[in-house]
Amino acid sequence: GENVEQHPSTLSVQEGDSAVIKCTYSDSASNYFPWYKQELGKGPQLIIDIRSNVGEKKDQRIAVTLNKTAKHFSLHITETQPEDSAVYFCAAAISNFGNEKLTFGTGTRLTIIP
Amino acid sequence: ETGVTQTPRHLVMGMTNKKSLKCEQHLGHNAMYWYKQSAKKPLELMFVYSLEERVENNSVPSRFSPECPNSSHLFLHLHTLQPEDSALYLCASSLGLALTGELFFGEGSRLTVL
Repeated sequence: GENVEQHPSTLSVQEGDSAVIKCTYSDSASNYFPWYKQELGKGPQLIIDIRSNVGEKKDQRIAVTLNKTAKHFSLHITETQPEDSAVYFCAAAISNFGNEKLTFGTGTRLTIIP
Repeated sequence: ETGVTQTPRHLVMGMTNKKSLKCEQHLGHNAMYWYKQSAKKPLELMFVYSLEERVENNSVPSRFSPECPNSSHLFLHLHTLQPEDSALYLCASSLGLALTGELFFGEGSRLTVL
């Protein structure tokens, strides 16, 4: 089955700096890669996603890049703000004869230092 | 008010107790899910319901029993649990069954088994 590895597990950056979280996946059939943000005491919330037919997607200060050849994708947050502090999860979805599986990474705890 | 509401938010139970977790979604979605979130582990999919029919059971022990009386409500009945079942249980919903679409999570029920 699919295996998603996420690094780093914790990340601290100074406010205003950029943060990068990286994920790798094992199954080349995966074609959907969402990122979820989980704030303290809340459930995960989708912040951005990318499909395998594009290499990069941006939404204001957030961007995701996908390298299908290397089977890795990354989340980039620029001009970080205190409200960006949260746990971020990557995931990969594989479509297999109509049975789709969404496999999550283990999460990255991002702390923005004021 | 979030689109997906879970109760109770916190639950402490003994190994011989019987309790239930409740989830309600106000989004008009057709699919609902139970996930287990444990520290430093990926989110684990437990059960999937589509239009009130169970479509997936990821080899979850029988001490967890789901119930979906209608497309807006989902329950997780708990009995004779083990301490290792202590975790955050997340309910989620999506418009359709395809996992290549956004999941809307509730805030979770924190379960502690003594």
